[in-house]
Amino acid sequence: NAGVTQTPKFQVLKTGQSMTLQCAQDMNHEYMSWYRQDPGMGLRLIHYSVGAGITDQGEVPNGYNVSRSTTEDFPLRLLSAAPSQTSVYFCASSYAGNWNTEAFFGQGTRLTVV
Amino acid sequence: GQQVMQIPQYQHVQEGEDFTTYCNSSTTLSNIQWYKQRPGGHPVFLIQLVKSGEVKKQKRLTFQFGEAKKNSSLHITATQTTDVGTYFCAGEYSGGGADGLTFGKGTHLIIQP
Repeated sequence: NAGVTQTPKFQVLKTGQSMTLQCAQDMNHEYMSWYRQDPGMGLRLIHYSVGAGITDQGEVPNGYNVSRSTTEDFPLRLLSAAPSQTSVYFCASSYAGNWNTEAFFGQGTRLTVV
Repeated sequence: GQQVMQIPQYQHVQEGEDFTTYCNSSTTLSNIQWYKQRPGGHPVFLIQLVKSGEVKKQKRLTFQFGEAKKNSSLHITATQTTDVGTYFCAGEYSGGGADGLTFGKGTHLIIQP
């Protein structure tokens, strides 16, 4: 059971470039989300999805797009990378019932924008 | 937006001393979760608290959820070097699983042997 798989683990982008961070889970979780982690800021929610075809914005959505065409995959797209998007990105998934259950996190993607 | 305040930001302890981190929300939470992140790693789920006044224990770790469901704490007894990492609380407000978790900024636990 692979859990939550994120790729790539490391990435360096030039300002203005675009890229997609991949996230896949094999636990049949309805709920998936993307967080960014910056020093002293904790984990901030970027976008989330409660099921295939449904996405919504979190706390810091600007500059990012998501889609959820399947239950398994939840890619995060950076449209035009900026140095402010230098961060560690985590994808997470969980069951979603009356409340969120345990969130399983991927290993993270360390992104540097120069 | 909703905020979960977590203190302290850093805590230095001697190995064998106790450690406590606190989380507080200005509005009522439907539930709260706790996560541990080792240096260079990803957050790993520790526990979820749902009921008012709930107390749960995992070996040397004790988790509490306040009566008003606005605050929570994690207490570690007799810290060990394996406890090093950042401890996050994460609260949920909606109860419907749809709005996601709001994380505190975390407490970095540093243990001096």
